[in-house]
Amino acid sequence: EAQVTQNPRYLITVTGKKLTVTCSQNMNHEYMSWYRQDPGLGLRQIYYSMNVEVTDKGDVPEGYKVSRKEKRNFPLILESPSPNQTSLYFCASRSTGSQETQYFGPGTRLLVL
Amino acid sequence: GENVEQHPSTLSVQEGDSAVIKCTYSDSASNYFPWYKQELGKGPQLIIDIRSNVGEKKDQRIAVTLNKTAKHFSLHITETQPEDSAVYFCAARRGGSYIPTFGRGTSLIVHP
Repeated sequence: EAQVTQNPRYLITVTGKKLTVTCSQNMNHEYMSWYRQDPGLGLRQIYYSMNVEVTDKGDVPEGYKVSRKEKRNFPLILESPSPNQTSLYFCASRSTGSQETQYFGPGTRLLVL
Repeated sequence: GENVEQHPSTLSVQEGDSAVIKCTYSDSASNYFPWYKQELGKGPQLIIDIRSNVGEKKDQRIAVTLNKTAKHFSLHITETQPEDSAVYFCAARRGGSYIPTFGRGTSLIVHP
């Protein structure tokens, strides 16, 4: 079954405490990305990766880091979380080419106190 | 940059009616327009997409139309069912870009 998994699903942390949200896909997709979803703002892309060791900024990259050491994994790192990073985060992967297929993970709800 | 406007923000219909959600975009270089369905507590799901070289695409009860001249595209759902109740998002992406711009979403409620 095609799947994107994220962990943890829920996280409460305090300002400045480094955290990592993991993301893994089983479809051998080259392209992966991270989004945040905030009420009234829709989805905004944080970072994306076109392949292993190739990453680039999306629309809202400030305060986030990513890495892509393996094709299946694309962790999101918050080195020093702040309250304005409280949000719902989604990881996604997609195929490339004329017929795209895209899958989102179930989401990680983060609260930064 | 690209700006995507989506209307309405809420849409309430009776089961069996049709529902139409509209989006406009600003960047004439956008050439890929996906639609997503997001059920409560879940991640978005790609339900249909259209590229700028096509005016209409249909998949069972859902269809998407694109008017490049007017820079708007619409999602049409026919014979709505309660399980169609969800938030729907449109998006636009320009050719060669990896960054889509999303609309703010439409909450569709289908009353049995």
